[in-house]
Amino acid sequence: GQSLEQPSEVTAVEGAIVQINCTYQTSGFYGLSWYQQHDGGAPTFLSYNGLDGLEETGRFSSFLSRSDSYGYLLLQELQMKDSASYFCAVNSNYQLIWGAGTKLIIKP
Amino acid sequence: EPEVTQTPSHQVTQMGQEVILRCVPISNHLYFYWYRQILGQKVEFLVSFYNNEISEKSEIFDDQFSVERPDGSNFTLKIRSTKLEDSAMYFCASSLQGTDTQYFGPGTRLTVL
Repeated sequence: GQSLEQPSEVTAVEGAIVQINCTYQTSGFYGLSWYQQHDGGAPTFLSYNGLDGLEETGRFSSFLSRSDSYGYLLLQELQMKDSASYFCAVNSNYQLIWGAGTKLIIKP
Repeated sequence: EPEVTQTPSHQVTQMGQEVILRCVPISNHLYFYWYRQILGQKVEFLVSFYNNEISEKSEIFDDQFSVERPDGSNFTLKIRSTKLEDSAMYFCASSLQGTDTQYFGPGTRLTVL
């Protein structure tokens, strides 16, 4: 079957750094995407890794290791507005296969 | 910045009725998608569409569902006979290529009574 595993919930303090891990098992892999979703909102694209290594976009970075079927999203200098759910998703054959999402709770 | 748009934002219907959800993808994108998200659950793939044909579809996308690109800008999802379990957020997305980053619209909340 196809599956992505990520923690259901992560708690961190404002200003801190948090890492959200994702492991996957899918057929057809072109890359790993990360999306942010606030309650009631649409998924918003954050980052994409097609090759192994680190991609940096402002306060957000994402890492991929294809040999380990593993990736992570790193959020730095956390702000209260970063409180949301974060989804990893595999870019597969003309579709995204989604993880269940990680709810990030940020405390002041 | 170009974005995907969807109408209506909220649709309420009676069980057994037909609904059509509308999307306008980003203008230069070639691949279009529908996903759904039941409240509190993960996003689920329904169907992808390219060159006026379905590229991939999931087990969810059964005979009650259909997609169409009726003109050069709109992309629609039709649910022929809605069921209570069809209640969900439906998201349209588009991408330049089939394996590229997908950009999502704001969604249509479908409530089936």
